[in-house]
Amino acid sequence: QITLKESGPTLVKPTQTLTLTCTFSGFSLSTSGVGVGWIRQPPGKALEWLALVYWDDAEHYSPSLKSRLTITKDTSKKEVVLTMTNMDPVDTGTYYCAHDTLRRSFDIWGQGTMVTVSS
Amino acid sequence: DIVLTQSPDSLAVSLGERATINCKSSQSLLYSSKNKNYLAWFQQKPGQPPKLLIYWASTRESGVPDRFSGSGSGTDFTLTISSLQAEDVAVYYCHQYYTLSRTFGQGTKLEIK
Repeated sequence: QITLKESGPTLVKPTQTLTLTCTFSGFSLSTSGVGVGWIRQPPGKALEWLALVYWDDAEHYSPSLKSRLTITKDTSKKEVVLTMTNMDPVDTGTYYCAHDTLRRSFDIWGQGTMVTVSS
Repeated sequence: DIVLTQSPDSLAVSLGERATINCKSSQSLLYSSKNKNYLAWFQQKPGQPPKLLIYWASTRESGVPDRFSGSGSGTDFTLTISSLQAEDVAVYYCHQYYTLSRTFGQGTKLEIK
């Protein structure tokens, strides 16, 4: 059974860097075709894809946020970490991580973690 | 980026009636060498993460009721709920994974009339 869980701060100040961790179980990030992605959702708004990391270390980022994002994986610890620099109140929202394959995109999601950006 | 535009933005349907949600892509999502459309549909209920309903435009995810179906190819896609149930009240999103720069539609809110 595949599960994912997001963790990180619930409150960050403007200009700070956000670091979120996705801890997963039930699959390996060294298996061909497997990836983990991050998606966010401002309150009452639509889903926005942020970043993806694959089994082969390939990293992909939203073009509009690429300069602020870094995604890394630790296969042995079963963790994927997303960092987002220069946080702004508009970055407030729920951040999700999700299991991905090239066949069935984002088939399993974590419950999400709410992040508020405020001074 | 590929832009996905859903219509309508919101929809109210009577219980037992058909609900139809459309998704139009700014470019084709058909991977011709595989003859697959890289388009998925998600359902999101309040306070919950999205749930994958349909992938490859028309393949139902395991455990998804057969009243949900997906159709379309290229740039135009449809999610149909054949007989609306109360538990289907949710926001529905289309999502393209044709490119490694993924995108979602803006969402369609489905309510009971």
